Amino acid sequence: DIQMTQSPSSLSASVGDRVTITCRASQGIRNNLGWYQQKPGKAPKRLIYAASSLQSGVPSRFSGSGSGTEFTLTISSLQPEDFATYYCLQHNSYPWTFGQGTKVEIK
Amino acid sequence: EVQLVESGGGLVQPGGSLRLSCAASGFTFRSYWMHWVRQAPGKGLVWVSRINGDGSSTSYADSVKGRFTISRDNAKNTLFLQMNSLRADDTAVYSCARGAHASPPDYWGQGTLVTVSS
Repeated sequence: DIQMTQSPSSLSASVGDRVTITCRASQGIRNNLGWYQQKPGKAPKRLIYAASSLQSGVPSRFSGSGSGTEFTLTISSLQPEDFATYYCLQHNSYPWTFGQGTKVEIK
Repeated sequence: EVQLVESGGGLVQPGGSLRLSCAASGFTFRSYWMHWVRQAPGKGLVWVSRINGDGSSTSYADSVKGRFTISRDNAKNTLFLQMNSLRADDTAVYSCARGAHASPPDYWGQGTLVTVSS
């Protein structure tokens, strides 16, 4: 199985900060990676697919990059509504696997 | 509007069975792969299973293989998850999600809670 190591597990940031979250795959997954945002009690929301394609309707401050084994989700200027938990998901091979999640909290 | 509504969760004893349903609307159900994902209380997301559009192909997480069965009824726009030999560590909110071949899920339901306890 492919292991997805997501870091950091949590971070504290201020509104306006640039935030970067990383996912590393235990083996190459090409660009078969998505990023999700989840708020408490809510369903996950897809932000990024194919590692770097922005989901329709998602603000352009969110961006994804990477290929192979290392991937990054960047929020260019953190907004109050962005405080949430973020997950990566590899869909290159079964079983699909999520990263452990990154909780973004208010500093 | 895409809608996915899960049902069938509840309290079940270890070793018991439960069948979850996911009613889909707002899209051509048979054209999409469907997934089940679970989340234990306070924990992260775990992919459980997927099925292709006509139901001919399925995949499972190692932790549920041989115990859970995913299926679908395209005439009724409904996805199912039959869960047998349930264990305490199966306790979670189970959500269905819409996908496509080679693409991560784009829409998710709110989930239904399954609690396995004596």
